[in-house]
Amino acid sequence: NTKITQSPRYLILGRANKSLECEQHLGHNAMYWYKQSAEKPPELMFLYNLKQLIRNETVPSRFIPECPDSSKLLLHISAVDPEDSAVYFCASSPRGGDNERLFFGHGTKLSVL
Amino acid sequence: QQKVQQSPESLSVPEGGMASLNCTSSDRNFQYFWWYRQHSGEGPKALMSIFSDGDKKEGRFTAHLNKASLHVSLHIRDSQPSDSALYFCAASESNMGYKLTFGTGTSLLVDP
Repeated sequence: NTKITQSPRYLILGRANKSLECEQHLGHNAMYWYKQSAEKPPELMFLYNLKQLIRNETVPSRFIPECPDSSKLLLHISAVDPEDSAVYFCASSPRGGDNERLFFGHGTKLSVL
Repeated sequence: QQKVQQSPESLSVPEGGMASLNCTSSDRNFQYFWWYRQHSGEGPKALMSIFSDGDKKEGRFTAHLNKASLHVSLHIRDSQPSDSALYFCAASESNMGYKLTFGTGTSLLVDP
């Protein structure tokens, strides 16, 4: 799915700061960050709609999202913890409505040493 | 506790066979149900939605919803090796700023 691009694809960190990036070329208004730990389903972290933060699930404060425009989403992580090792997916949907299909990117696999 | 439980955890069917996946929700606030499929190393991809009681067919895939029992199922007819993947049932609540809750997942293997 090249319509939602995420970078980097793989990230190996010690206790450092890093940012994940996502861009969607679908013209969607809503963008999401999901976290998928090993052997677990994806879990919602943040939802933006038209650049406004709409949902902020119970996420450690070291995760800070940013939506510079409606097609881009960033996730800043400070002082990563081993429990942060997971795949982070960016997703988008047309309007952020309750019955919409989500389109996911390929994900960024974060490995914390 | 997961609000959306799936069974079985894993399933193996021969090529050309029928695969049946089940999903049960414990939250009556859930209004809309989806099936997503995730191949290894990729993001989940929506297969189909079902919002009303009864059956919905799309090609080889048939979903069934029973809102009274909060049970959703997915049946894959004429299974192909390319159907081997992780399948998630997902549910969303109305008027909640769109939170899609994924189920525990079923790993499907189609043996060629």
